[in-house]
Amino acid sequence: DAGITQSPRHKVTETGTPVTLRCHQTENHRYMYWYRQDPGHGLRLIHYSYGVKDTDKGEVSDGYSVSRSKTEDFLLTLESATSSQTSVYFCAISRRGAPPEAFFGQGTRLTVV
Amino acid sequence: DQQVKQNSPSLSVQEGRISILNCDYTNSMFDYFLWYKKYPAEGPTFLISISSIKDKNEDGRFTVFLNKSAKHLSLHIVPSQPGDSAVYFCAADDMRFGAGTRLTVKP
Repeated sequence: DAGITQSPRHKVTETGTPVTLRCHQTENHRYMYWYRQDPGHGLRLIHYSYGVKDTDKGEVSDGYSVSRSKTEDFLLTLESATSSQTSVYFCAISRRGAPPEAFFGQGTRLTVV
Repeated sequence: DQQVKQNSPSLSVQEGRISILNCDYTNSMFDYFLWYKKYPAEGPTFLISISSIKDKNEDGRFTVFLNKSAKHLSLHIVPSQPGDSAVYFCAADDMRFGAGTRLTVKP
């Protein structure tokens, strides 16, 4: 299994509070991604990173920010959590080789009440 | 604008029969397409891929077909097994995913 760890695995938070999810990898992969999984929508890309301090927006980036100060860590922050951000969040890593196979973490279930 | 689409949310097949999962795309510039499998409470795992220069890739019971003129790919599982019951996602090499198809293989 690829060395990728998400923390926390479960979190309940109140509307309006900031929340940070962490993704940690031990594979030294250049690319890291944050997704959310919702019924009927599949996996939607929130933000991604192509190197330290290099990040870009995905399909559903509003209300989220990311940071990558080290190769191994990619943080996802919900600046002010809303109920619509209740979801399961997955982190993924990739070397973008041929094929550009990605490895996923176990997911974080976030509930905003 | 979703560039990779899976229009069938679910599929049910009998054990031993063929499962065919479909995916459509809009961008002809993709170099690779990938299929991932996801069990409940786990992260997705890579299953099989196909390069845009090929029209078929086979790995054991899994075969992916690519029809570039129709901008369509399909995953064939033969024979289907109950352990194949999962959600299957197709993805392009820009890391965008389809909505997924839930496959149920009945014993």
